[in-house]
Amino acid sequence: AAGVIQSPRHLIKEKRETATLKCYPIPRHDTVYWYQQGPGQDPQFLISFYEKMQSDKGSIPDRFSAQQFSDYHSELNMSSLELGDSALYFCASSSTINLFNKQYFGPGTRLTVT
Amino acid sequence: KQEVTQIPAALSVPEGENLVLNCSFTDSAIYNLQWFRQDPGKGLTSLLLIQSSQREQTSGRLNASLDKSSGRSTLYIAASQPGDSATYLCAVREGSQGNLIFGKGTKLSVKP
Repeated sequence: AAGVIQSPRHLIKEKRETATLKCYPIPRHDTVYWYQQGPGQDPQFLISFYEKMQSDKGSIPDRFSAQQFSDYHSELNMSSLELGDSALYFCASSSTINLFNKQYFGPGTRLTVT
Repeated sequence: KQEVTQIPAALSVPEGENLVLNCSFTDSAIYNLQWFRQDPGKGLTSLLLIQSSQREQTSGRLNASLDKSSGRSTLYIAASQPGDSATYLCAVREGSQGNLIFGKGTKLSVKP
């Protein structure tokens, strides 16, 4: 079965640079969620999209922005990177028409800011 | 604001033991609760999902229970194996389209 795809899997950037993380949800899933997991921390919700519209916002810094495109893939854009942005970034997708609307997680993108 | 707490933070047991991981949440108005496994530096593997109307779910050696009114869930692992060593995360969802709110996890080590 198709799973959530995230790219790249690893990314190394320097301070003040920008980064773009991509997420390809499971086919026919209409909702995408982004989470950030810092070293030794639990995943924290950043932002979500339903049918290409932002549906909820969590602890996402103003330096970050995200969108969902017409093909339902989503991109998380991160600017003016800081050392503290180093983390594992997860994308999850779900379908509102599926039983329990379960979230399925991608493998994550590990971002290292040096 | 919903808060999820997991106890203990770390647990070390000998192989073969049965064990229980605990999860508590402050607001009982949840949609569902999910247990995940995470290996070091890796992604999240969903183990069990319990809807708010359910009391328990089972998968192999794993059994998760939910007592929504008291804000508690337990993950029971039978006959633990070294391969079970990982961090186990509990997460609650407050609405059908809501995000997940995670606990800080229990780091399990099963010694041969």
